[in-house]
Amino acid sequence: NAGVTQTPKFQVLKTGQSMTLQCAQDMNHNSMYWYRQDPGMGLRLIYYSASEGTTDKGEVPNGYNVSRLNKREFSLRLESAAPSQTSVYFCASSEARGGRASTDTQYFGPGTRLTVL
Amino acid sequence: QKEVEQNSGPLSVPEGAIASLNCTYSDRGSQSFFWYRQYSGKSPELIMFIYSNGDKEDGRFTAQLNKASQYVSLLIRDSQPSDSATYLCAVARGGAQKLVFGQGTRLTINP
Repeated sequence: NAGVTQTPKFQVLKTGQSMTLQCAQDMNHNSMYWYRQDPGMGLRLIYYSASEGTTDKGEVPNGYNVSRLNKREFSLRLESAAPSQTSVYFCASSEARGGRASTDTQYFGPGTRLTVL
Repeated sequence: QKEVEQNSGPLSVPEGAIASLNCTYSDRGSQSFFWYRQYSGKSPELIMFIYSNGDKEDGRFTAQLNKASQYVSLLIRDSQPSDSATYLCAVARGGAQKLVFGQGTRLTINP
């Protein structure tokens, strides 16, 4: 079991370039999440997918789009990268199907370090 | 006021002592509370969660929750150098598990 995997591990973009961050999980989890982590800010939720076929905005969705390709994969796209999107991006997954799942555990991938020049 | 607040530290504790990490939250509708540990350059990993008032123990770790005071803490007994990390408090309001994280407390255990 690889758990949650993310590609790439590192990426440098120029302002205005686009890219897609890939995430996959092999735990048969229903819910998947994208976070960003900035120094001193903790983790902030960008988008999440409570189940296959659904996506919803989190706390900081502007400038991002997501696709839940199937149950295993959840991608994050930056259409026109900006320096403010320089961050570490974490994907996570959990078993919850949505609804009341207050003790659901999220498992995190290793992260993607993105720098936008 | 931030939804979830932690003292960013750094918090320095001698080896073998008790480390006490604190977290306050603003939303009284919050239902469950999580403590994650994050080593430098690594991803967060769950230590434990708590949803009922009182204490919950797991090995050297004890989580304490006081919903009336909107306060949750993590105690680490017999602290080891390997406990040196950033500890993240996260709060869930139910639903689709939309966690809100605090900024984290950096803990250093001194041999």
